[in-house]
Amino acid sequence: QKEVEQNSGPLSVPEGAIASLNCTYSDRGSQSFFWYRQYSGKSPELIMFIYSNGDKEDGRFTAQLNKASQYVSLLIRDSQPSDSATYLCAVRTSGGSYIPTFGRGTSLIVHP
Amino acid sequence: EAGVTQFPSHSVIEKGQTVTLRCDPISGHDNLYWYRRVMGKEIKFLLHFVKESKQDESGMPNNRFLAERTGGTYSTLKVQPAELEDSGVYFCASSQELASTVDEQFFGPGTRLTVL
Repeated sequence: QKEVEQNSGPLSVPEGAIASLNCTYSDRGSQSFFWYRQYSGKSPELIMFIYSNGDKEDGRFTAQLNKASQYVSLLIRDSQPSDSATYLCAVRTSGGSYIPTFGRGTSLIVHP
Repeated sequence: EAGVTQFPSHSVIEKGQTVTLRCDPISGHDNLYWYRRVMGKEIKFLLHFVKESKQDESGMPNNRFLAERTGGTYSTLKVQPAELEDSGVYFCASSQELASTVDEQFFGPGTRLTVL
């Protein structure tokens, strides 16, 4: 059974700090990795995707992928109170299935 | 451009009753997905439509759940009869094409279903 594990948190960081969110996955055949942000009562919103080993940067967000260790992370630099949300990791295998497996999400709180 | 919309936003019903959830995908998106999140658990896949055809319904929990997408536009998910364990948030998502590594799925705001 494919599993995606995340620490539920909450992860609390001060404004301006780097928030580091981690995700591990069990299926070695996983090819695509996604980070969604979900504000309370709102829909999940895709903020980053990565499918090659290494780092991918987009503004204040950096996704890091290590397939050998089956580990994907999301770094948020210069964290703002508006970044406070639940961050969902989702993983998708290749081979014709486009259905992602989600983790339970990590709650991030950025305090002023 | 309008996003994915879902109706109703909340539904409270009694065990044994029937509820129908509706999803309107983004216009032009052939792919439509239903997911469910039970409290404290992860979002789990229910089924996937490509236009009006069910591509994958491996996540449907049992035959009390019936999904349709007549005409390949909006979709409905009916639960009949509802049980207590059906409570949760039902999300709909849509995407434009599958021939993409990303296949970005756009989620709706969800329908919170409570079965008493």
